[in-house]
Amino acid sequence: AQTVTQSQPEMSVQEAETVTLSCTYDTSESDYYLFWYKQPPSRQMILVIRQEAYKQQNATENRFSVNFQKAAKSFSLKISDSQLGDAAMYFCAYRSPNTGNQFYFGTGTSLTVIP
Amino acid sequence: DTAVSQTPKYLVTQMGNDKSIKCEQNLGHDTMYWYKQDSKKFLKIMFSYNNKELIINETVPNRFSPKSPDKAHLNLHINSLELGDSAVYFCASSQDRANLRPQHFGDGTRLSIL
Repeated sequence: AQTVTQSQPEMSVQEAETVTLSCTYDTSESDYYLFWYKQPPSRQMILVIRQEAYKQQNATENRFSVNFQKAAKSFSLKISDSQLGDAAMYFCAYRSPNTGNQFYFGTGTSLTVIP
Repeated sequence: DTAVSQTPKYLVTQMGNDKSIKCEQNLGHDTMYWYKQDSKKFLKIMFSYNNKELIINETVPNRFSPKSPDKAHLNLHINSLELGDSAVYFCASSQDRANLRPQHFGDGTRLSIL
């Protein structure tokens, strides 16, 4: 099975600064999807950004961007101009189209934004 | 050893039936969760238990009933299954209830209603 690793259980960033959350994964597949989800205290998962493995261009969504390095199996999330509302748990996820679109989640990174 | 294990991995059944999905964690965590992943791939929290006590109970039909015989297990029982119940259900556990510690997810149970 694929594994997703988030090596930073906790991160903090000063408001208006930039922070990068790391994610690595292990797979033998060439075609897959990667996601970053935000989980506020309500526990609902909110999709932040997604990346198709076949696309070389890094996905960007407003202040959120990724650094996708397929060869290194790395998928980091960069949050620019951090806001207090960005404070949450962030999960990296891998979806395999070859195993019934099975999702695999990392264990999360808790982000604190310091005013 | 698998940290959070769900059984079965796949469940195909007919409308109107009653089914259960089991979840077990061997991490010694106090808090367990059930999520439903909808067709748009969002994960919606359904229930959360902390030391066998229900702490999160979102707006879920009462056909869904969680059962926690001990803090290592959180099973999900669904009565009178409907077509809209088709989804992937994820179990997860964490060391605390404050969403500050890592959550470990199971591999999901794909429920298909015929």
